[in-house]
Amino acid sequence: DQQVKQNSPSLSVQEGRISILNCDYTNSMFDYFLWYKKYPAEGPTFLISISSIKDKNEDGRFTVFLNKSAKHLSLHIVPSQPGDSAVYFCAASANTNAGKSTFGDGTTLTVKP
Amino acid sequence: DAGVTQSPTHLIKTRGQHVTLRCSPISGHKSVSWYQQVLGQGPQFIFQYYEKEERGRGNFPDRFSARQFPNYSSELNVNALLLGDSALYLCASSLAWTGLYEQYFGPGTRLTVT
Repeated sequence: DQQVKQNSPSLSVQEGRISILNCDYTNSMFDYFLWYKKYPAEGPTFLISISSIKDKNEDGRFTVFLNKSAKHLSLHIVPSQPGDSAVYFCAASANTNAGKSTFGDGTTLTVKP
Repeated sequence: DAGVTQSPTHLIKTRGQHVTLRCSPISGHKSVSWYQQVLGQGPQFIFQYYEKEERGRGNFPDRFSARQFPNYSSELNVNALLLGDSALYLCASSLAWTGLYEQYFGPGTRLTVT
C-alpha cells in the first residue's frame, strides 16, 4: 500500500502560468513533508519543505500548502518557467526525520514557452 | 563546497555477484541515507546511518547491508545480486537524523545486473 501518492503522472502548463502539483498521504505519523525536483541523470534536488505545525511555506516562486485533515499537500509554482520542466517528487517523513522519507512516484512537469 | 558524491557512476554486474557502492556526505553532515530508485518510481528508503549507528532500515532483504565510517562516509553492500536489483542507488546526507533538516542527494550510482 503506497503511503504517499502523486496521482498525476504528468502536467503541462504554459510559461508564466501557475503550476500546481498535488500529493496525498495516508500515514498520520508523517510530520515533515518535502518537495524535490529531479532532472535526468541527476539526484533529486531539495526545493521546499513544510512541517505539520504549519499550513503554508513560501520560498520565492514556490509555495507549499498542507491540509492535514485531508492528508493532502500541494506545490504551487508561480510564474512557471521552462527551466522548471523536470520530475517533481513529494516526500513525507515521521519524527521530522527527512533521512527516512517515503516518496511518491513523481509528476513530470512540462512548461511550454 | 562539494555536494554529496557517489562512486562509481555506473556499474554492470552479473547475477550472484556482490557489489559495494560508496558515498561521501556534505562536509559537516553526520546522517547518511540510502535509497533505491527503480525506473518510473520514486526513491525507496533502504538504510539510514547517523554517527555510525543504523537509525532505520527499509523493507529490503538481508542481502542489503551498509555501514558508516568515522569520517561519516558510507558504503552500501548488496550480496547475491538479482536482476531486480538493477536500479539507481541514491545516497543522501543531512546534518542530523531528526529536527527539520533537509536531505541532499548525490547523483546516484546506476547498477545494471545481467
